[in-house]
Amino acid sequence: AQKITQTQPGMFVQEKEAVTLDCTYDTSDQSYGLFWYKQPSSGEMIFLIYQGSYDEQNATEGRYSLNFQKARKSANLVISASQLGDSAMYFCAMRENNAGNMLTFGGGTRLMVKP
Amino acid sequence: NAGVTQTPKFRVLKTGQSMTLLCAQDMNHEYMYWYRQDPGMGLRLIHYSVGEGTTAKGEVPDGYNVSRLKKQNFLLGLESAAPSQTSVYFCASSYALDRLTAYEQYFGPGTRLTVT
Repeated sequence: AQKITQTQPGMFVQEKEAVTLDCTYDTSDQSYGLFWYKQPSSGEMIFLIYQGSYDEQNATEGRYSLNFQKARKSANLVISASQLGDSAMYFCAMRENNAGNMLTFGGGTRLMVKP
Repeated sequence: NAGVTQTPKFRVLKTGQSMTLLCAQDMNHEYMYWYRQDPGMGLRLIHYSVGEGTTAKGEVPDGYNVSRLKKQNFLLGLESAAPSQTSVYFCASSYALDRLTAYEQYFGPGTRLTVT
């Protein structure tokens, strides 16, 4: 079974609107972390936001927030007030209870912001 | 600070040739990683290291070897390149895991490798 599933290969959003990118995960660990990275067309991987399994509040970083629903094993990324520069690939990743801080990545969602 | 750097940025190899990719970080991170990213896919872990002189296999280690002789460097070797190893290779580093802290991984710019 896939550990990280991103079911939206591609999405469009109108500039200035909010968009939600879906991520579901599968783990039997009690302690784990969920990350979102952005990969623009230039190719670099940019860290956006983190949610720990024991965090009671949903994580927020500027225009990014993470809608964490532990019982449903979902960690959706919400981008508010989309900008043209938000057009990129977005990857959800999970760190399970392992010794090396290793990440497992989902297949990604390509977000395209329309002017 | 340069962060995480990778050398080279691009490389074309013929089947059977060998090469080494160099990753360097100046953040004093304990952990380092090598990933590959195939077109339209997420990153998959090849090998990683939790400290100088230690390495371990990730999800897709076959056909690759690694070494970490110095804390700041992590080398990825392909002894006999195959077309299936055509990919973009990313190096990353992070602080040692602390259960109270989210230590994200910092990524290099990537190396685009084509094997013909």
